[in-house]
Amino acid sequence: DTEVTQTPKHLVMGMTNKKSLKCEQHMGHRAMYWYKQKAKKPPELMFVYSYEKLSINESVPSRFSPECPNSSLLNLHLHALQPEDSALYLCASSQGPGGNSPLHFGNGTRLTVT
Amino acid sequence: AQSVSQHNHHVILSEAASLELGCNYSYGGTVNLFWYVQYPGQHLQLLLKYFSGDPLVKGIKGFEAEFIKSKFSFNLRKPSVQWSDTAEYFCAVKAPNGYQKVTFGTGTKLQVIP
Repeated sequence: DTEVTQTPKHLVMGMTNKKSLKCEQHMGHRAMYWYKQKAKKPPELMFVYSYEKLSINESVPSRFSPECPNSSLLNLHLHALQPEDSALYLCASSQGPGGNSPLHFGNGTRLTVT
Repeated sequence: AQSVSQHNHHVILSEAASLELGCNYSYGGTVNLFWYVQYPGQHLQLLLKYFSGDPLVKGIKGFEAEFIKSKFSFNLRKPSVQWSDTAEYFCAVKAPNGYQKVTFGTGTKLQVIP
């Protein structure tokens, strides 16, 4: 089992809904990430938080809003999504920014936008 | 910007056959290289990594990869595959700058037939 916990596992939301994805790790990692993975495609980086500060935003639309309340938690707030945003959203963590630490992934949240 | 290409999208092998999955990257400087594996229904897991030193790296479950700098390649190998190796394999590259931007290849789906 992974040490990165994501909730919920599945989420169905309408285009006018507001929902949040949650991610938690207790490995003491100081970098956390959101990736988006469409079917039969590789994971695509969305956001990186380093020491609880947003360090990378890969030009993600503002309907996705990340939040890092503390070093163990990472949220992704969703609002006014489009059907094409349906995908598997992966959270990952690593020991810190830079360096050589690999990513530890959660199982993902399967999001369907109707 | 860094990029990764994996030549084989779908590979079918019989048990005990040898495996080699190709991975080429594009980046002008020093890179960190990874292979991740995603077993059916499971999260992405690190298989092995290369940062520096011996270009032949060994990972879990009998996998190894060889970094050939002149060819910008990091191919994954296993002498004898098992049915349990059926999974999707992703090559990934990270430039060792201040932030952890990991770029994934498109993935290779390996199917091992008993």
